[in-house]
Amino acid sequence: SQQGEEDPQALSIQEGENATMNCSYKTSINNLQWYRQNSGRGLVHLILIRSNEREKHSGRLRVTLDTSKKSSSLLITASRAADTASYFCATLEKLVFGKGTKLTVNP
Amino acid sequence: NAGVTQTPKFQVLKTGQSMTLQCAQDMNHNSMYWYRQDPGMGLRLIYYSASEGTTDKGEVPNGYNVSRLNKREFSLRLESAAPSQTSVYFCASRPFGTSTDTQYFGPGTRLTVL
Repeated sequence: SQQGEEDPQALSIQEGENATMNCSYKTSINNLQWYRQNSGRGLVHLILIRSNEREKHSGRLRVTLDTSKKSSSLLITASRAADTASYFCATLEKLVFGKGTKLTVNP
Repeated sequence: NAGVTQTPKFQVLKTGQSMTLQCAQDMNHNSMYWYRQDPGMGLRLIYYSASEGTTDKGEVPNGYNVSRLNKREFSLRLESAAPSQTSVYFCASRPFGTSTDTQYFGPGTRLTVL
């Protein structure tokens, strides 16, 4: 069964806006990772956040983790058309990926 | 480095045919994985190999077999293909198999079973 569940399933925004995607998981974890998948391609690692971290930044990406709620969020600021892709959270202790959020950034 | 490579990129099979999907990585990683991705279902783990010489079942192993041929190569075999196995198959590897490792993915094999 899927442990990571992203929300929303699809998101459409205008270039320059911020995009927020959420992920919920079921069991205790030591860390959580986010990946990106361009259409028809393999997944590419974006960022890892450990269970003792609450927030982490990487360029225009901001990830938060709330272990009490078993949830994480990925924020992409000042989105660009090139950010159009599907985004997945993953708990790699369990080798489980969520179903993904499909983000469309309109120019 | 080529990273993770997969062959073939596309394949069409008839029900009952067999085939082997090939995967190789040149990053000296210990762990390798096979996933399938269906629309709206995300990635589901089929089999994995934590290290050379070991293989383990994942979430959806039925209808598949795997071989960890050596440290570089991890193949996935469909003995008698079924339409339910129509999917995109991704191979991945990671250095040590720990949860903090990044997974590196191949470009995928798009398989259609008629």
